Amino acid sequence: GAGVSQTPSNKVTEKGKYVELRCDPISGHTALYWYRQSLGQGPEFLIYFQGTGAADDSGLPNDRFFAVRPEGSVSTLKIQRTERGDSAVYLCASSPFGPASSYEQYFGPGTRLTVT
Amino acid sequence: ELKVEQNPLFLSMQEGKNYTIYCNYSTTSDRLYWYRQDPGKSLESLFVLLSNGAVKQEGRLMASLDTKARLSTLHITAAVHDLSATYFCAVDTEGSNYQLIWGAGTKLIIKP
Repeated sequence: GAGVSQTPSNKVTEKGKYVELRCDPISGHTALYWYRQSLGQGPEFLIYFQGTGAADDSGLPNDRFFAVRPEGSVSTLKIQRTERGDSAVYLCASSPFGPASSYEQYFGPGTRLTVT
Repeated sequence: ELKVEQNPLFLSMQEGKNYTIYCNYSTTSDRLYWYRQDPGKSLESLFVLLSNGAVKQEGRLMASLDTKARLSTLHITAAVHDLSATYFCAVDTEGSNYQLIWGAGTKLIIKP
């Protein structure tokens, strides 16, 4: 079946601009996570959705970052007034998150964001 | 705060050799995961370890978990070039909404 997809695969933007990154999870997965990975490091948690609601947004670095999942499926990560320090690969993962699941997370290919 | 430490962070080895990557974590965790990442690619799940003493094997890779020592190992047997990648361990807890807390990764280079 189809895995997690993310678009765009690459995004180059100028400092100060607004960007949106999209994640389409595996069908039926209720849990959705966003992570950020800088070069040479492990991923860093940003936000977690269970259904439509953001159950945990404690990893968002500041109020320039916002994410939505209005219908409980596709999610969009929104970054306002981008800064060069926002440059990273943004990863999305989904999980079935049910009593019978192992809570294993399945990752998309990522969006590489470069802020110039 | 839950922390995850991997060592070594970089490993260069010859084909045919055996080696072990270590993953320590700081507090009680529900599950431990091993992922593989090839350059420029996303994360591929290798193993999910759910309980103390769990051991899983796939090909030349074997992972184990000791929850009392808060330690997991990823053992590579008779390494081949195709296993060159960065390997990450990660843990999650119910108290953290199952978000994954990651180690820094071990970059493994296997020379023919």
